[in-house]
Amino acid sequence: TQLLEQSPQFLSIQEGENLTVYCNSSSVFSSLQWYRQEPGEGPVLLVTVVTGGEVKKLKRLTFQFGDARKDSSLHITAAQPGDTGLYLCAGARSNYQLIWGAGTKLIIKP
Amino acid sequence: DAGVIQSPRHEVTEMGQEVTLRCKPISGHNSLFWYRQTMMRGLELLIYFNNNVPIDDSGMPEDRFSAKMPNASFSTLKIQPSEPRDSAVYFCASSQDIRQPQHFGDGTRLSIL
Repeated sequence: TQLLEQSPQFLSIQEGENLTVYCNSSSVFSSLQWYRQEPGEGPVLLVTVVTGGEVKKLKRLTFQFGDARKDSSLHITAAQPGDTGLYLCAGARSNYQLIWGAGTKLIIKP
Repeated sequence: DAGVIQSPRHEVTEMGQEVTLRCKPISGHNSLFWYRQTMMRGLELLIYFNNNVPIDDSGMPEDRFSAKMPNASFSTLKIQPSEPRDSAVYFCASSQDIRQPQHFGDGTRLSIL
């Protein structure tokens, strides 16, 4: 049973386009983390969102936590080839254990 | 600063053999996690330690898997006997405590023939 659904599973777009990745659950999380993983490496934390409705920006990346703290989105503006990677969301339960999404594989073509 | 260090980076062995994966967490981190990542199942938590004590091993797939953390700077994940379905990338991660973000090593790519 996948408690944290990520969509799309795979996305291939041209450089310069915008995109949004979604992370949805029926469970409430105390916080939600987004990681990016490149081939041959471990996931690297991008951001943690804690408050319902919170929006955080990291250069061209915008992260939003849903008001009910059950879902989150990652929006990339003017995607670049360097954004290519596997994007993972992970929700923290009340005991702080992480529930991981299956990931979105993103390819940005030059 | 040194990150989480895993060894070996790659391991290829025949089924039935014992496999030992090693991890050195970031100094000062008191939580350590072992994960397995496959295309089919994504990232799965196998076990995590807090202050060298195993807290939750419910993700360990079978008795063939065991993990130890004899001190704050070293942990092992052992598979004995190994099977082809154990082939995956195994990650170790550490954090300052369970509430803090996790820092991952670069993983061990394990292939069981």
